[in-house]
Amino acid sequence: DARVTQTPRHKVTEMGQEVTMRCQPILGHNTVFWYRQTMMQGLELLAYFRNRAPLDDSGMPKDRFSAEMPDATLATLKIQPSEPRDSAVYFCASGLVASGNTIYFGEGSWLTVV
Amino acid sequence: QKEVEQNSGPLSVPEGAIASLNCTYSDRGSQSFFWYRQYSGKSPELIMSIYSNGDKEDGRFTAQLNKASQYVSLLIRDSQPSDSATYLCAVNKGGSTLGRLYFGRGTQLTVWP
Repeated sequence: DARVTQTPRHKVTEMGQEVTMRCQPILGHNTVFWYRQTMMQGLELLAYFRNRAPLDDSGMPKDRFSAEMPDATLATLKIQPSEPRDSAVYFCASGLVASGNTIYFGEGSWLTVV
Repeated sequence: QKEVEQNSGPLSVPEGAIASLNCTYSDRGSQSFFWYRQYSGKSPELIMSIYSNGDKEDGRFTAQLNKASQYVSLLIRDSQPSDSATYLCAVNKGGSTLGRLYFGRGTQLTVWP
């Protein structure tokens, strides 16, 4: 059963700490997305990659957020330093260009910054 | 103007009724349209995709697309309590290439027995 795997599932951290979220996309998928979901804003795209290259990170606060794909099986989203307003659910999703425009979401990383 | 707008809801229908969910989008060049269902505390899951004008049926679900009106809808026939969830409309602005998906805020649906 192919699925997107995210870690950690839940994270509580203090303001100012570094947070790293990891994502393993579905094997063979060449496009990876990072979304953030809050009650106020809904689902917002932070960044996405194709074949490990960043295509769009315009939705990401550059001063504190960074996203990378060290290899085809791992995407990371880092927040440094974290702030209470970063509290949200962060979803990773992956898709394959050749299979149309369907993307599949991971279960999310629930982040609380206190 | 938001890229994707959905009727805010919440929407409440009795079991067995038809639930109608609506969505409008701003970019006339959009080519791909999706409906995701999200249960509370869970991740969005794809239930329907539609690319051409007209209706597309899958079981109890029918997606309707009208590109001239920039309008997408989802009909759920014979609604069940298990359909209670938030429904998210998503639009791909990147033409036929998998690209940036814009999501609406979602419509919360409750189906009561």
